[in-house]
Amino acid sequence: EVQLLESGGGLVQPGGSLRLSCAASGFTFSSNAMSWVRQAPGKGLEWVSGISGRGGSTYYADSVKGRFTISRDNSKNTLYLQMNSLRAEDTAVYYCGRRSMTTVTTARDNYYYYYMDVWGKGTTVTVSS
Amino acid sequence: DIQMTQSPSSLSASVGDRVTITCQASQSISSYLNWYQQKPEKAPKLLIYAASSLQSGVPSRFNGSGSGTDFTLTISSLQPEDFATYYCQQSYNTLLYTFGQGTKLEIK
Repeated sequence: EVQLLESGGGLVQPGGSLRLSCAASGFTFSSNAMSWVRQAPGKGLEWVSGISGRGGSTYYADSVKGRFTISRDNSKNTLYLQMNSLRAEDTAVYYCGRRSMTTVTTARDNYYYYYMDVWGKGTTVTVSS
Repeated sequence: DIQMTQSPSSLSASVGDRVTITCQASQSISSYLNWYQQKPEKAPKLLIYAASSLQSGVPSRFNGSGSGTDFTLTISSLQPEDFATYYCQQSYNTLLYTFGQGTKLEIK
């Protein structure tokens, strides 16, 4: 069964740090890019960060750039999110998600469509003094 | 950055109704648009990818359409289990996949 399981959430003071983990199983982890998405209490989904399958390319939302670092260990089938300089507005449920792809071939070109098809159950981060 | 705007923000409907949710991108994203359903305290679930392709296992009453900047999600005949919040997401920018603000579908 394809599965993602987040861990590492908790209560942390403003300015503190936390590292989230996402353990993957049931698929070839290194074949898929991965993302972190968060949801503040009562709010919508916010894409936070993404990383390519081999880890060579990383992307961040402006709201976390310079404070959060995404990484992965393909030998351990695990995705990470190192969160530093945490703020109250970082309080949220953090989900990891697998990016999958469908290729559409036309007479002119190949088109690659990406989507997040597997999600973990989430881990809660609370930033408060 | 590409901004995604959904409307309405909330919607009341009855079982059996046909409902439409719209999503507008701040620039053309071709067909790089996905739709997700989220129920309270649950992770999002992929419904539609590439604007109009139905994810495996998703009922055929869900239909996505559009390209460029304007997209719609239509549920042809609402079922009790469809009451949830729906999000669009652009996948045009490599791994910078922004979401719309969500549309909460409630029972009338």
